[in-house]
Parts: sequence; structure tokens; C-alpha cells
Amino acid sequence: DIQMTQSPSSVSASVGDRVTITCRASQGIGSWLVWYQQRPGKAPKLLIYAASSLQSGVPSRFSGSGSGTDFTLTIRSLQPEDFATYYCQQANSFPLTFGGGTKVEIK
Amino acid sequence: QVQLQASGPGLVKPSQTLSLTCTVSGGSISSGGYFWSWIRHLPGKGLEWVGYIFDSGTTSYNPSLKSRITMSVDTSENQFSLKLTSVTAADTAVYYCARLPLSWNEGFDPWGQGTLVTVSS
Repeated sequence: DIQMTQSPSSVSASVGDRVTITCRASQGIGSWLVWYQQRPGKAPKLLIYAASSLQSGVPSRFSGSGSGTDFTLTIRSLQPEDFATYYCQQANSFPLTFGGGTKVEIK
Repeated sequence: QVQLQASGPGLVKPSQTLSLTCTVSGGSISSGGYFWSWIRHLPGKGLEWVGYIFDSGTTSYNPSLKSRITMSVDTSENQFSLKLTSVTAADTAVYYCARLPLSWNEGFDPWGQGTLVTVSS
């Protein structure tokens, strides 16, 4: 199975800050990387697929980049509704696997 | 828009079978083009893909659970189901159902609200 490692596990930030989350795959996955946002008590929501393609309806302050084994999710100008946990998921091969999550907390 | 809702008992005894159903609304399971999936969120361990079923009944399961899983689909009721046998406390989790397109590298969307299943005597 492909292992997905996210860092940091948590980050404290203020409204308006730029936040970057990293996801590393244990082997190359091309651009087959998906990002989700999960607010407390809610189901995960698809943000980005194919490493950098923004899902319809997702604000443009979210962006993704990377290929191979190293990927990043960037939130430009953090908004109050962005305080949540973010997960990456490899979409290269089954079994599909997820990172451990990064919690974005209010500073 | 398509919505999914998982349902089932919130408490299951060890060694028994966990049974969950996902009801799809706003679209037909039989429309094709999607894998209907289960994912679970294990406390302190993150998200784990459990398996998927196609409307034809074709399945794919996570090898770590394969010996204990059965998934089925009822197109007349627009539902799909999960059975997990011989459960232990390690199966305690929030179980989500979600839709995965045939171009499965586009990710799970949407997800159902999730249902907490606790394994305890």
C-alpha cells in the first residue's frame, strides 16, 4: 500500500494568513493526489483533485501543487470558515489511502 | 444534487456483524459512471478506504478487511450496503458512504454525513 504522510499535524494561524500543508507519498503517484477539507462534525469535502485542479465551487484561495511524491496545499488569506482538518489522498492505485490529516487552528 | 446518507446500529457487540446501509437521493445508483464506496474514520488513526461496489454488483475491497467484508447493492431501493463480520473494538469508527467516479483519480464526492459505530459489549 502507498503510505501518505502529512505535515504538520497541526498549525495555528490567524485570519488572513497564508497556510501551506505538505503531503508526501511513499512512492511516486504522478499527479494523482486529492485534497479534502473536514469541518468539525461534518463529512469531508473535496477541494482539489489531480494535485492542482480546483473542484467546482471551491474558493480560488485554495491551490494545490506537486507531482511524484511531494505535494502541497496552500490556503491564501485564511478565512474563518477555513479552520478545519485537511486530508490528502492518493488516487494512483488501490487500495486508496489517506494522509493522517492536518488541523488548522485559530491562533 | 446527489446526497448520501449512511444508517445502521450505533452499537455492535464484539464478534458480531456490523451492517450499514447507504441511501442515495437526488440521483440513481443505476446511472452508471460511479463506484459506490465506504470509508471509515478510525479514532486517532485517520481515514481508511473500506471498499466499493458498482451498480452491476462488482466489488473491490481493501485487502486489510477483505476476508470480513461483503458489500451489496439494491438498485430498486437506490441503496448499497456494507457487512463487516467478526468485529472487534478496532472496528469502532465513523463510517461514511461516498461516491467515486469511474475516473477514480478525481476523488470521492459527495460524502454522506457518516454514522458512528461503536463495538462494545
